[in-house]
Amino acid sequence: QSVLTQPPSASGTPGQRVTISCSGSSSNIGSNTVNWYQQLPGTAPKLLIYSNNQRPSGVPDRFSGSKSGTSASLAISGLQSEDEADYYCAAWDDSLNNWVFGGGTKLTVL
Amino acid sequence: QVQLVESGGGVVQPGRSLRLSCAASGFTFSSYAMHWVRQAPGKGLEWMAVISYDGINKYYADSVKGRFTISRDNSKNTLYLQINSLRVEDLAVYYCARSSVVTAFPNHWGQGTLVTVSS
Repeated sequence: QSVLTQPPSASGTPGQRVTISCSGSSSNIGSNTVNWYQQLPGTAPKLLIYSNNQRPSGVPDRFSGSKSGTSASLAISGLQSEDEADYYCAAWDDSLNNWVFGGGTKLTVL
Repeated sequence: QVQLVESGGGVVQPGRSLRLSCAASGFTFSSYAMHWVRQAPGKGLEWMAVISYDGINKYYADSVKGRFTISRDNSKNTLYLQINSLRVEDLAVYYCARSSVVTAFPNHWGQGTLVTVSS
């Protein structure tokens, strides 16, 4: 059981907008920033969004993040086939003194 | 450019010990916190441990506390993970990753090393 809760799967057609949710608690998302990682098949995770809504250099602006209370969301607009990957949210947990990850969401581009 | 290269994985019998290494280059290793994160086959990411830039502060996931030890040698630009009493459920790809401080997000990841636990 992951501390952060994500839907196991999501899907969309090319060009569509898709959102992936991440639910936590007051000790993690509620008091710290949320980060998102993209993991393409067979590769290491890559930082996609940090500090709730910041994109590292090189990440397309089709990817955006937001946070409200103890929940966060990743939005992908103008969906492309190369976006098919697993997506993970992560945050520091003040009670556990741990980093915690969501269980991951497998995005399928139909 | 930032490079993290894990090594030390392989096939190990249950109950034995293993030490993983992560060689860092392309940045000032001694200025950054470092993490270990693992991923069992077909499963999600599981954070294991983090160590501060100077090696003083260390935090572990409850699931591995007492059995895993994270350490670093800043003179060798290398991060380590000592795994004792290996269990079948430790089968995973182990990634090292870098962050600015312990509580900051890991922003660069290595390619991982596979640990297989089998008799």
